[in-house]
Amino acid sequence: DTGVSQDPRHKITKRGQNVTFRCDPISEHNRLYWYRQTLGQGPEFLTYFQNEAQLEKSRLLSDRFSAERPKGSFSTLEIQRTEQGDSAMYLCASSLGPIPHYEQYFGPGTRLTVT
Amino acid sequence: AQTVTQSQPEMSVQEAETVTLSCTYDTSESDYYLFWYKQPPSRQMILVIRQEAYKQQNATENRFSVNFQKAAKSFSLKISDSQLGDAAMYFCAYRSGGSGGSNYKLTFGKGTLLTVNP
Repeated sequence: DTGVSQDPRHKITKRGQNVTFRCDPISEHNRLYWYRQTLGQGPEFLTYFQNEAQLEKSRLLSDRFSAERPKGSFSTLEIQRTEQGDSAMYLCASSLGPIPHYEQYFGPGTRLTVT
Repeated sequence: AQTVTQSQPEMSVQEAETVTLSCTYDTSESDYYLFWYKQPPSRQMILVIRQEAYKQQNATENRFSVNFQKAAKSFSLKISDSQLGDAAMYFCAYRSGGSGGSNYKLTFGKGTLLTVNP
């Protein structure tokens, strides 16, 4: 069990550029979650997948954001035409299944800075 | 919608002493779970302790224990015999337990930054 990994750990981009982040969940976990954490705030839910199906998206996820999880394995989160307000830590988590008490295991996050 | 409030942005404790972090939440649901997560500087978030709302007994994990007051919607974390490694941001979180509710996501408070003084 290597834990949840995220790549890259840090990303600096200029406003208007597109960025893509990757998350590799724990191998047997079928649920994968994306959260966003801004400075001084707790993480906020963005979206989640059960296997390859994206089952819920937060209203925080504007049209510039898209997430995929092909074949129910790794997931990517893409932000198009980045804005300074997108600067945040993007956290990925995974869990074994839908039972609520199953723990969500978090990755180290990708810190995005938009200049 | 559920909300989680942590009213203490920062707390400090002397090594080996006890500290209590506060959390209140608002929900109309009867079936839910509450969590405390620890986020060390530049490291990933890990689960410290979990409490099921239907359980009256307060959860305990080694030096960490909670005081769960369901009627008051209060969920505080007590850290006993504080260690330097306990220094971190602590987040209180809520998750619905119902099958038809938002049982897929965690709702977090803003966090409490705990400093442990040697």
